[in-house]
Amino acid sequence: EVQLVESGGDLVQPGRSLRLSCAASGFTFNDYAMHWARQAPGKGLEWVSGISWNSGSIRYADSVQGRFIISRDNAKNSLYLQMNSLRAEDTAFYYCARDKHDILTGPFDSWGLGTLVTVSS
Amino acid sequence: SYVLTQPPSVSVAPGQTARITCGGNNIGTESVHWYQKKPGQAPVLVVHDDSDRPSGIPERFSGSNSGNTATLTISRVEAGDEADYYCQVWDSSSDHPGVFGGGTKLTVL
Repeated sequence: EVQLVESGGDLVQPGRSLRLSCAASGFTFNDYAMHWARQAPGKGLEWVSGISWNSGSIRYADSVQGRFIISRDNAKNSLYLQMNSLRAEDTAFYYCARDKHDILTGPFDSWGLGTLVTVSS
Repeated sequence: SYVLTQPPSVSVAPGQTARITCGGNNIGTESVHWYQKKPGQAPVLVVHDDSDRPSGIPERFSGSNSGNTATLTISRVEAGDEADYYCQVWDSSSDHPGVFGGGTKLTVL
């Protein structure tokens, strides 16, 4: 059974940094591209970033470009999101999602339950 | 960047058919995916590549895509189908390719 478990969400002040992790199990992690998506309170889903199976292709949403960094460690079956210069509008549940393919194409066929990031002073 | 437009809400009685649209410029040339999102739960892929169903998704869920509109159709709607539904495409020509529609709240009357 595919399992994706996010961690690292917290209450953080504006301008500070936070690192999210996603632990994957139940499938061959390095056979799939991976993504982060988020949902702010009362808002819709927003794609945040994606990384191909070998980290050779990485993309970001315009809203996080230059502030967030996605990475993966295939030896540890883990996906990461380094979030810098956090803003109030980054407050959301952050979801880890598996791409159906090894390159960035979508769809996202498995999702975690999410971890909550709150940016507030 | 590519924009996907969904109606904010759709209401349907149990046993009837719900149709949720997703509008986009020449969306018929894109592969459209649909997700179901219930409060406190992970999103679930219900239709991918316009009209394919993942294993475990009931046949009541179907999709179509042509011209400027993609449609998710839910037949014989049940109370458990009440959720938010999102369309999504991967715009590979964009620097920011992951695009979701704004979401549609399906209410079962």
